[in-house]
Amino acid sequence: EAQVTQNPRYLITVTGKKLTVTCSQNMNHEYMSWYRQDPGLGLRQIYYSMNVEVTDKGDVPEGYKVSRKEKRNFPLILESPSPNQTSLYFCASSQVSNQPQHFGDGTRLSIL
Amino acid sequence: AQTVTQSQPEMSVQEAETVTLSCTYDTSESDYYLFWYKQPPSRQMILVIRQEAYKQQNATENRFSVNFQKAAKSFSLKISDSQLGDAAMYFCAYRDSGGYQKVTFGTGTKLQVIP
Repeated sequence: EAQVTQNPRYLITVTGKKLTVTCSQNMNHEYMSWYRQDPGLGLRQIYYSMNVEVTDKGDVPEGYKVSRKEKRNFPLILESPSPNQTSLYFCASSQVSNQPQHFGDGTRLSIL
Repeated sequence: AQTVTQSQPEMSVQEAETVTLSCTYDTSESDYYLFWYKQPPSRQMILVIRQEAYKQQNATENRFSVNFQKAAKSFSLKISDSQLGDAAMYFCAYRDSGGYQKVTFGTGTKLQVIP
């Protein structure tokens, strides 16, 4: 089954404790992306990647890191999480160009 | 930078009626892609319909169709014969066609379907 898998689905943690949200896709997609969703703000792109070792900043990259060492994986790293990073996070993948993105089920992060 | 505006935070429609959700965008590009995604309470993101900017013909998918006005930079979604299952958040999204393929979403419209 074609899918984008994010883990964990839910996480409550404390300020400053490094965390990683994993994302994996099994569709051999070149393009992968991370979004955060906040009430009234829609989805905002954090980082995206056109292919292995090719990443670029989206609209809200501050406080986040990503890496793309393998085509299928695109982890999101919060080195020193802060409460303003409490949000719903989505990973997505697609072929490039006009293809729609396939989204993971989302990760609800709460940072106290 | 591209921007996407959805000016209707909430809308409601009677079951079996038709509703139109608006979306406008701003870009200096001539080639790009536009999408409507649906997010039900389960929070899954589901593609509703897509449109390539170089195509003049409006996209349709069953009860869903778009009114794409390139000059006006408008991309509205029409839902015909509304069903209870259409109740959801709807997001309009813009995607560059070349370069780094950045994606920009609107802030969403919450659609309520009244039985």
